[in-house]
Amino acid sequence: GENVEQHPSTLSVQEGDSAVIKCTYSDSASNYFPWYKQELGKRPQLIIDIRSNVGEKKDQRIAVTLNKTAKHFSLHITETQPEDSAVYFCAASTSGGSYIPTFGRGTSLIVHP
Amino acid sequence: GAGVSQSPRYKVAKRGQDVALRCDPISGHVSLFWYQQALGQGPEFLTYFQNEAQLDKSGLPSDRFFAERPEGSVSTLKIQRTQQEDSAVYLCASSQGWRSENTIYFGEGSWLTVV
Repeated sequence: GENVEQHPSTLSVQEGDSAVIKCTYSDSASNYFPWYKQELGKRPQLIIDIRSNVGEKKDQRIAVTLNKTAKHFSLHITETQPEDSAVYFCAASTSGGSYIPTFGRGTSLIVHP
Repeated sequence: GAGVSQSPRYKVAKRGQDVALRCDPISGHVSLFWYQQALGQGPEFLTYFQNEAQLDKSGLPSDRFFAERPEGSVSTLKIQRTQQEDSAVYLCASSQGWRSENTIYFGEGSWLTVV
């Protein structure tokens, strides 16, 4: 089955800096890669996603890049703000067969004001 | 309701007790997932339903775990003879279809503590 590795486990930045979180996956058939944000005690919420036919996608201060050859994808947050502090999860899923998303272990992002 | 609803939000069970966790998915959503999230970890897949059919239960950790969705809407996750290692947040999620790119919406989880 799919295996998703996520790094770093903790990321501490100053307000205004950029943050990058990286994930790798093992199943070359995976073709959909969502990112979720989970604030303390809250539900995970989708913030951005990318499909395998696209190399990069941007939404305001958030961008995601995908390298299918290397089987890795990254989340980039620019101009970080204290309200970006949360745990971020990457996931990978495959259409056809079992499309159940497999999640990474999460990155705790702390943005210091 | 507007989102996925789970109950109870918090449950403390004595070791050996049976528990039942309920999930109300978004109305009309075909797919329903159960995940287990240990403290500081990512969600780990337990089981998946498409309507009332349980298509994948490969993530259930033991035969003490059982899930059902008899009418293709509300689902219940039952844990028999709870053990301390069952302590975790149990997340339910639903999506409109069954394609990989269908957005998955999570509930707020049921926090289970086994003492």
